[in-house]
Amino acid sequence: DGGITQSPKYLFRKEGQNVTLSCEQNLNHDAMYWYRQDPGQGLRLIYYSQIVNDFQKGDIAEGYSVSREKKESFPLTVTSAQKNPTAFYLCAGTVQETQYFGPGTRLLVL
Amino acid sequence: DQQVKQNSPSLSVQEGRISILNCDYTNSMFDYFLWYKKYPAEGPTFLISISSIKDKNEDGRFTVFLNKSAKHLSLHIVPSQPGDSAVYFCAAIHGGSQGNLIFGKGTKLSVKP
Repeated sequence: DGGITQSPKYLFRKEGQNVTLSCEQNLNHDAMYWYRQDPGQGLRLIYYSQIVNDFQKGDIAEGYSVSREKKESFPLTVTSAQKNPTAFYLCAGTVQETQYFGPGTRLLVL
Repeated sequence: DQQVKQNSPSLSVQEGRISILNCDYTNSMFDYFLWYKKYPAEGPTFLISISSIKDKNEDGRFTVFLNKSAKHLSLHIVPSQPGDSAVYFCAAIHGGSQGNLIFGKGTKLSVKP
């Protein structure tokens, strides 16, 4: 168990709306990550953060934003600029070089 | 350009037999490799890893083999069980670079009773 919790399990977004996915950890992970999973696409990196108040874009950051105001929390906002937001979103924390994942949030567009 | 490739999108195996999942990589700087198992609508679960200084790592029914010259690793599951049915992701990292894990696209394993 990597100590990563994500909420909610399902989230619905209306057109033009921003939504925020929660990711919390209790194992003192320094680095945290957000991935998106689409069928047949594997895991694609959206954003990551190595330390508090610092984060970096991953491979598909457009239409997303993050914050890392405290070590325990790394929320992801899916903005209205993300034209294809329907996906399964996964948050992860790192212990040495092994990433441990949360249970995921499925985002659906109404 | 995919740095980590899992060329078989799916694999079907009979219960009790061996499952072999393959993974190829292109970046010779990768020095740590991991396998994850994922059930639908759940986060991936870490299974087993191997450092580039080894060529084999074993944990119960799971064994990972690394062939650095071929840039190839494989996960062996023996004996396979129906509960092993899931998507398996291979991942690699260059630990010294503060780089990120690079994932393959996954292989869906089905173990038939």
